[in-house]
Amino acid sequence: KQEVTQIPAALSVPEGENLVLNCSFTDSAIYNLQWFRQDPGKGLTSLLLIQSSQREQTSGRLNASLDKSSGRSTLYIAASQPGDSATYLCAVLLSGTYKYIFGTGTRLKVLA
Amino acid sequence: DADVTQTPRNRITKTGKRIMLECSQTKGHDRMYWYRQDPGLGLRLIYYSFDVKDINKGEISDGYSVSRQAQAKFSLSLESAIPNQTALYFCATSDNNYISYNEQFFGPGTRLTVL
Repeated sequence: KQEVTQIPAALSVPEGENLVLNCSFTDSAIYNLQWFRQDPGKGLTSLLLIQSSQREQTSGRLNASLDKSSGRSTLYIAASQPGDSATYLCAVLLSGTYKYIFGTGTRLKVLA
Repeated sequence: DADVTQTPRNRITKTGKRIMLECSQTKGHDRMYWYRQDPGLGLRLIYYSFDVKDINKGEISDGYSVSRQAQAKFSLSLESAIPNQTALYFCATSDNNYISYNEQFFGPGTRLTVL
């Protein structure tokens, strides 16, 4: 059974720091991996999607990498800002069934 | 206008009542999903549908039913609500093609409280 883990569960950093959020999964038979941002009480906003054949994707200050063989993905946020404060979720799409399995998220707080 | 909408946004109901949550999308996607989110448990899949005639159970379908009335509409029903169904419910859509690669797009959520 696919399990998705995100560590740490919570992170607090001063403004301007570069930071890395981690996502690990137990089964490498995935179709893609998607990173989301969720603000308190709100819906999920898609940040980046990495196909299983790709190693990384970039959007602005965000860079996501994927290493299927080790079951890991990282989300790198450059020059963090208070507006980046949110919960970040990763989800893997299982090959064949096309069901997404979500991690429990990392709650990020960027201090001004 | 939002691409994925959910109604109602908030609902308080009593144990034993029947509740319907509705989801509509203007993205033209074939695939639609219902999730619930509980603190500390992440998002869990309730039901998903790959087209109007295709309905599949997710990992926590007991106590729920769904209806795919059209490509753009997917409803979730709680036949007899119970307090442990209190949660944040999300609808999502995706399309399986070589452009979007099943990227999921979420609605704003419905906060359901069962007393």
